[in-house]
Amino acid sequence: TQLLEQSPQFLSIQEGENLTVYCNSSSVFSSLQWYRQEPGEGPVLLVTVVTGGEVKKLKRLTFQFGDARKDSSLHITAAQPGDTGLYLCAGDDFNKFYFGSGTKLNVKP
Amino acid sequence: KAGVTQTPRYLIKTRGQQVTLSCSPISGHRSVSWYQQTPGQGLQFLFEYFSETQRNKGNFPGRFSGRQFSNSRSEMNVSTLELGDSALYLCASSRLTSGGGYEQFFGPGTRLTVL
Repeated sequence: TQLLEQSPQFLSIQEGENLTVYCNSSSVFSSLQWYRQEPGEGPVLLVTVVTGGEVKKLKRLTFQFGDARKDSSLHITAAQPGDTGLYLCAGDDFNKFYFGSGTKLNVKP
Repeated sequence: KAGVTQTPRYLIKTRGQQVTLSCSPISGHRSVSWYQQTPGQGLQFLFEYFSETQRNKGNFPGRFSGRQFSNSRSEMNVSTLELGDSALYLCASSRLTSGGGYEQFFGPGTRLTVL
């Protein structure tokens, strides 16, 4: 069974702080996605990383795919209350997706 | 381009009943996957359909079934509902990226409550 572990599970920070969320696995994936989900809604795709070592930036969010394509990180700079939500990573094994348990982020104003 | 749509958004059923949920993928996407999300178990994969054929299956009992139509729309059915089936059911359609991996786009989900 392919397992994705996310850490931390919960994060409560003040507006303006930086944070990093980690997604680790012992399996290699063809690509990895990060999603943000708000309560009662479906996850919204933030980014897809495909190449080992790849770094992608989305405004204040920076995503990195590990060289071996087994792990990834999401870094948020100067977090804002609008960043609050559940962040999920998902590894793609040829269109079979394995999800991490998620990181619940709360950014306090 | 319209996103993934799911109907209904909310559903209340009683134990023993059956339920059918519907999903329309993004136009052009031929793969549709279904997930169950609960606070305790997170997002769990149910099954994936591609061109009307079930291509992947998760570890759920046979009470959970699905199908896909020629227009890529999909339905999932849960028979003999149990209290533990209360969850957010999510549908996702996926496409192959230029980089070679797939990426999924989710619908808003159907919140099923079993009483």
